[in-house]
Amino acid sequence: GAVVSQHPSRVICKSGTSVKIECRSLDFQATTMFWYRQFPKKSLMLMATSNEGSKATYEQGVEKDKFLINHASLTLSTLTVTSAHPEDSSFYICSARDFREKLFFGSGTQLSVL
Amino acid sequence: DAKTTQPPSMDCAEGRAANLPCNHSTISGNEYVYWYRQIHSQGPQYIIHGLKNNETNEMASLIITEDRKSSTLILPHATLRDTAVYYCIVGSYGGSQGNLIFGKGTKLSVKP
Repeated sequence: GAVVSQHPSRVICKSGTSVKIECRSLDFQATTMFWYRQFPKKSLMLMATSNEGSKATYEQGVEKDKFLINHASLTLSTLTVTSAHPEDSSFYICSARDFREKLFFGSGTQLSVL
Repeated sequence: DAKTTQPPSMDCAEGRAANLPCNHSTISGNEYVYWYRQIHSQGPQYIIHGLKNNETNEMASLIITEDRKSSTLILPHATLRDTAVYYCIVGSYGGSQGNLIFGKGTKLSVKP
């Protein structure tokens, strides 16, 4: 089946620094990728929709200047958490849609901001 | 908001069938029913999806009622590795509507 690779799986950073998370579709091209965040024992919350070659569409309440999304190619989308603070600590997950319109998810990134 | 309702938790004995119900009474004509599961600290895993006919694959079977207002995911022989949160989602293909809204899911515990 299709594989979506997300890296890193875990990152610890100091408050005020920026963290980049990569999401790659390994064996298919994804014109659309999605970014979610998940707090402990809660469901996934969609943050933004990333379209190749255009600006991302953010969900209400998500700060676009804080969560920078770049989708420069058909196989790579990145999420950069800028000036991270402890409240940004969360599990971040990406997904990518293949030509059959199925969604495949990355394995997630656990971000801990000290 | 999620368009589905699922029981928050279920138990199942190892080796028995696990039947996970889902209500989606407001589903529209072009929306599919998707099932994903999430094992702790991992990304969701696709299981199966369908429109109106029952579907079966190597992982599970999906039974959709004739009025499409509810469905049941069946794991025929549950194993301990099937312990996870199971999400039932309705959504449509195409364009920016391809994102899926996750509800709270059902936490399935398979017990020996």
